[in-house]
Amino acid sequence: DGGITQSPKYLFRKEGQNVTLSCEQNLNHDAMYWYRQDPGQGLRLIYYSQIVNDFQKGDIAEGYSVSREKKESFPLTVTSAQKNPTAFYLCASSTGGSARADTQYFGPGTRLTVL
Amino acid sequence: AQSVTQPDIHITVSEGASLELRCNYSYGATPYLFWYVQSPGQGLQLLLKYFSGDTLVQGIKGFEAEFKRSQSSFNLRKPSVHWSDAAEYFCAVGSTGNQFYFGTGTSLTVIP
Repeated sequence: DGGITQSPKYLFRKEGQNVTLSCEQNLNHDAMYWYRQDPGQGLRLIYYSQIVNDFQKGDIAEGYSVSREKKESFPLTVTSAQKNPTAFYLCASSTGGSARADTQYFGPGTRLTVL
Repeated sequence: AQSVTQPDIHITVSEGASLELRCNYSYGATPYLFWYVQSPGQGLQLLLKYFSGDTLVQGIKGFEAEFKRSQSSFNLRKPSVHWSDAAEYFCAVGSTGNQFYFGTGTSLTVIP
């Protein structure tokens, strides 16, 4: 079954800790994305990657880091520099490789709570 | 600059009534347009998309949307709402460079 998996579903972090959110896809998609969702604010882009070993900052990249060492994986690290990390995090992928954006497919999300 | 506006933050409809969710976009070229639905605590599921051709697009769960270039709109409709349609709905536009721009969403409540 093709799709996007995110783990864990719920994550709790103490202030000052770094945490890493996992995102894996088996859709053979080139492009992957991380979004943050807060109530009433829709989706805000954190980072995106069009191809392995390359990624770009989105609108709210401060306090976050990513890597793209494998096509199927795009982990997101929430660092201690992110002052308000409590949110719902969504990973997405699309076929990429073209000039125009194709359909994005989303994972089930990870809810991060800072204690 | 590209943007998507969903003017209605929250809509309440009775079960069996018709539904229309509004979406307006700003994009220089012919847009790629999407509607997604999100249940609480879940990811986004694609309802339908428009790339080109027929401006009336059919999607899953009985939803349809109509692209109106003159009004820069891509409104989502359903003739008869079911209680299970209660969710958050997002309109999005796909741009060059594989970028996507999302509206802030419309929350739908269905009254029995």
